[in-house]
Amino acid sequence: DTGVSQDPRHKITKRGQNVTFRCDPISEHNRLYWYRQTLGQGPEFLTYFQNEAQLEKSRLLSDRFSAERPKGSFSTLEIQRTEQGDSAMYLCASIPGSNTGELFFGEGSRLTVL
Amino acid sequence: KQEVTQIPAALSVPEGENLVLNCSFTDSAIYNLQWFRQDPGKGLTSLLLIQSSQREQTSGRLNASLDKSSGRSTLYIAASQPGDSATYLCAVGGGGSNYKLTFGKGTLLTVNP
Repeated sequence: DTGVSQDPRHKITKRGQNVTFRCDPISEHNRLYWYRQTLGQGPEFLTYFQNEAQLEKSRLLSDRFSAERPKGSFSTLEIQRTEQGDSAMYLCASIPGSNTGELFFGEGSRLTVL
Repeated sequence: KQEVTQIPAALSVPEGENLVLNCSFTDSAIYNLQWFRQDPGKGLTSLLLIQSSQREQTSGRLNASLDKSSGRSTLYIAASQPGDSATYLCAVGGGGSNYKLTFGKGTLLTVNP
């Protein structure tokens, strides 16, 4: 069990560019979550997957955001045409199928949009 | 809509002091409550998980209580150490099966040597 892995840890981009983050959950965890955290705030839910199915999306996930989990293992979060307001920490978490509801988070991917 | 509030927003204490962090939530129909620690620029480390049917959980110097009916939880840290300095986040899990968490803004704890 190597924990939830996220890549890259830090991304600096110019406004208007596209960025993609990757999350590798704990092995055999079938649920995967994406959260966004801005400075001084608690994390906010974006979306989650059970296996490869995306079951819920927050209204925070505008049409510039897309998340996938094609084979039910790793997931990607893509942001198109980045804006300065997208600057935040993007956190991934996973949870096994039958469990207590305890989420295990990764180290996060920090996005800075210039 | 569930709202989670953490008080105080920041706390500075001398080393060795016992302290209490508070968390309140507006909707008592929760599945569980989780306390996390977050170091600057880092991800979240789970400290304690309390199921809705439980009253408290303990791990080492940490004790978390839950009073679901009043919408409150406390995190008690005994004999604080400088290494405890971090932001502590409270999160409640909704009553559905999605295990989605709603977070407070956190309490920034500084333990001075």
